[in-house]
Amino acid sequence: EPEVTQTPSHQVTQMGQEVILRCVPISNHLYFYWYRQILGQKVEFLVSFYNNEISEKSEIFDDQFSVERPDGSNFTLKIRSTKLEDSAMYFCASIYRGLSTDTQYFGPGTRLTVL
Amino acid sequence: KNQVEQSPQSLIILEGKNCTLQCNYTVSPFSNLRWYKQDTGRGPVSLTIMTFSENTKSNGRYTATLDADTKQSSLHITASQLSDSASYICVVRRDNAGNMLTFGGGTRLMVKP
Repeated sequence: EPEVTQTPSHQVTQMGQEVILRCVPISNHLYFYWYRQILGQKVEFLVSFYNNEISEKSEIFDDQFSVERPDGSNFTLKIRSTKLEDSAMYFCASIYRGLSTDTQYFGPGTRLTVL
Repeated sequence: KNQVEQSPQSLIILEGKNCTLQCNYTVSPFSNLRWYKQDTGRGPVSLTIMTFSENTKSNGRYTATLDADTKQSSLHITASQLSDSASYICVVRRDNAGNMLTFGGGTRLMVKP
């Protein structure tokens, strides 16, 4: 069964450094998402992406964050200057058509640790 | 404020027993409600999706109910197995909100032999 993949599984970085988290959504899916989950807390929506542009973003997704689909398969989340509070699990998700009842398929996540 | 609250926060049951997890939401306008299973360190996996008109939906040993009037949902797990140990997350999609989902805090279920 097709699945969303994410790399790396764990990223450790120093505060102030830039990180890029990578995701490969399911190949025929059209809508892509990033979520984060701080340890012990709820999953939070960051951003959705469709047709090569951001369709929605949350308050969390400030100027330090950016997303890109550099080619036909990858979907990336860049954090320009990491802060300690960016430490979290970051999940990528994709859906096929964007219908309200479409299932979002989540990747396994990237654990980001900012020191 | 659009919120999803779940109870209990954690639950321990013996293998083979049944359990029911609760979800209350204030998300409005309502589009649909989903239950996800999240194993530790992994991404959530969809169990069920229910729209306004659906009261009950089953997926194997999982049965979800929805009361859109009282804005409550439950997830019933029958004949639990050790592999059911995970967090179960209630997620609500708001109508006219694109595909943005609001997540509950989850119920952490531990099934013991």
